[in-house]
Amino acid sequence: NAGVMQNPRHLVRRRGQEARLRCSPMKGHSHVYWYRQLPEEGLKFMVYLQKENIIDESGMPKERFSAEFPKEGPSILRIQQVVRGDSAAYFCASSLRGEGEQYFGPGTRLTVT
Amino acid sequence: GQQLNQSPQSMFIQEGEDVSMNCTSSSIFNTWLWYKQDPGEGPVLLIALYKAGELTSNGRLTAQFGITRKDSFLNISASIPSDVGIYFCAGAPNTGGFKTIFGAGTRLFVKA
Repeated sequence: NAGVMQNPRHLVRRRGQEARLRCSPMKGHSHVYWYRQLPEEGLKFMVYLQKENIIDESGMPKERFSAEFPKEGPSILRIQQVVRGDSAAYFCASSLRGEGEQYFGPGTRLTVT
Repeated sequence: GQQLNQSPQSMFIQEGEDVSMNCTSSSIFNTWLWYKQDPGEGPVLLIALYKAGELTSNGRLTAQFGITRKDSFLNISASIPSDVGIYFCAGAPNTGGFKTIFGAGTRLFVKA
């Protein structure tokens, strides 16, 4: 009974490169959420997706960031032209229904050099 | 927008002591969730609450959904060193939409 999977666990990118973070939700879950966490801080909501649809992206920066959750395959959070300020831990969570318990993956730690 | 005020920010306690932390909001929430995060890991769901007044236990942990639906607390009894970590409250506000809001966390330190 696999939980939420995220890969890679650690990602190092140079400024200007693209970062792709992947998230496979728990089996049977069609709701995916992405959060960002800076050191010593809480979780900041970025985007909520349900298969093939973006439901709420109010927490996502308007530029350089995008997310998708295709019919087949994992959800992807893409950050283009990364900057040092993008360095953070990015967590994905999934849920069975839109409002309720969310289960988190282990996170991807992005470091921009 | 809605915010959750979680307190205290940090706690330093002796092994064996009981711990209490809480979250409050100015808005009504439909759901309260409590998570624990260990260093380098993702948050793990401890307790989920769905009804005002609901009191739920999970081992040494007890959480309650406040009767006003604007607050929740988490108690840990007889703390042990592995209780160390960051505890987050989270809630789904009663305003429609699907955004779950997280508190800033309570950092718990347990001295053996």
